[in-house]
Amino acid sequence: QVLLLQSGAEVKQPGASVKVSCKASGSTFTGYYIHWVRQAPGQGLEWMGRINPNSGGPKSAQKFQGRLTMTRDTSISTAYMELTRLRSDDTAVYYCATPPPWEAAPQLGFWGQGTLVTVSS
Amino acid sequence: QSVLTQPPSASGTPGQRVTISCSGTFSNIGSNYVYWYQQLPAMAPKLLIYRNYQRPSGVPDRFSGSQSGSSASLAISGLRSEDEADYYCAAWDDSLNGYVFGTGTKVTVL
Repeated sequence: QVLLLQSGAEVKQPGASVKVSCKASGSTFTGYYIHWVRQAPGQGLEWMGRINPNSGGPKSAQKFQGRLTMTRDTSISTAYMELTRLRSDDTAVYYCATPPPWEAAPQLGFWGQGTLVTVSS
Repeated sequence: QSVLTQPPSASGTPGQRVTISCSGTFSNIGSNYVYWYQQLPAMAPKLLIYRNYQRPSGVPDRFSGSQSGSSASLAISGLRSEDEADYYCAAWDDSLNGYVFGTGTKVTVL
């Protein structure tokens, strides 16, 4: 069982960047593919990408390529999602989520509490 | 723009059976497992069904999933008031090389 704790809400101006953290506890961090999913106000879920626990290699949705960076620091069991060149339509709740350990399939059984990112001038 | 299509809403009275459809293509549902998530208001999503029909521990057997060709469905039997939520299907898409969610269905218990 893993618990995912995300960083707090952020307010950013258009054009800025935001970095959201996701700290895992309750289980060893290695082996967990960390996925990032966002949800705009009143809208559905949107998959952004995932990071490989072993290699750190990321896989991003085409829509976010060039703007999205996913990293992890295994020494502190924390994953990060950084989105650059923010626009107003990036306003959303951002979730980290993970399948069971070493499960590559997106069987997202564990979720963080979500981080609200508001982009506004 | 989601590639998995769901009806925007579904409803039923307590005890009834409700079915939610999820329509995709060969590159997603037709080739990969389907997952279903339940999202209660102001909460993070919860995994309900994985690998088309499997239930994580703790999910009541009132929830069942099925898949046929490029479509999938989630059935909720013995509908209860606490089932009132948004439901999303999801699958890996080989063409997009990414995970895609359905458009979402809001279930209302009348």
